Amino acid sequence: GAGVSQSPRYKVAKRGQDVALRCDPISGHVSLFWYQQALGQGPEFLTYFQNEAQLDKSGLPSDRFFAERPEGSVSTLKIQRTQQEDSAVYLCASSLRHPSTNEKLFFGSGTQLSVL
Amino acid sequence: TQLLEQSPQFLSIQEGENLTVYCNSSSVFSSLQWYRQEPGEGPVLLVTVVTGGEVKKLKRLTFQFGDARKDSSLHITAAQPGDTGLYLCAGVRVSNYQLIWGAGTKLIIKP
Repeated sequence: GAGVSQSPRYKVAKRGQDVALRCDPISGHVSLFWYQQALGQGPEFLTYFQNEAQLDKSGLPSDRFFAERPEGSVSTLKIQRTQQEDSAVYLCASSLRHPSTNEKLFFGSGTQLSVL
Repeated sequence: TQLLEQSPQFLSIQEGENLTVYCNSSSVFSSLQWYRQEPGEGPVLLVTVVTGGEVKKLKRLTFQFGDARKDSSLHITAAQPGDTGLYLCAGVRVSNYQLIWGAGTKLIIKP
């Protein structure tokens, strides 16, 4: 596709449910990032993939959060036993190469997760 | 912990006025990026400044990187209602090129 695609756009979950958020990066992009964004705030880093390798998962808030990118393209962010504090917009971004001084990130529109 | 302090958090001004948004840190960055985000969309990159003291212009927007590469500013001249949005700065870490984000400036330009 022309840009980064995320699905679903909106997800409502009951507390305790598991959710899976999907990201389709721009074809051929090596790097893929997941961010969490609270309303009116800047994104917070969650995890980074270079191709299929998860090189940095230091931002994942707990072991309930899990991300994968098994074939180096599509990525899934899974949240188990959702809690109300997980409510946020989850953004996916990709870039053509590995991170550098001047590398450009392309963001998807995000998935807005609401946990009731 | 590297922090990037962005100010003001919120700004509401009349069309035609000028404004400046600031991003400050005690840490040196490899480069600094400015993004604009519309409601319901992801951030879109406006510019990357790389060299200390660098100034880049994008129509009515002027971006400056501090000499020490620790701070940056975004100046908008003669703001228009179309400039309304959330403006985010993001510093590129020297160690691993990951982004450190500011909290954002919500800008409203009233006609």
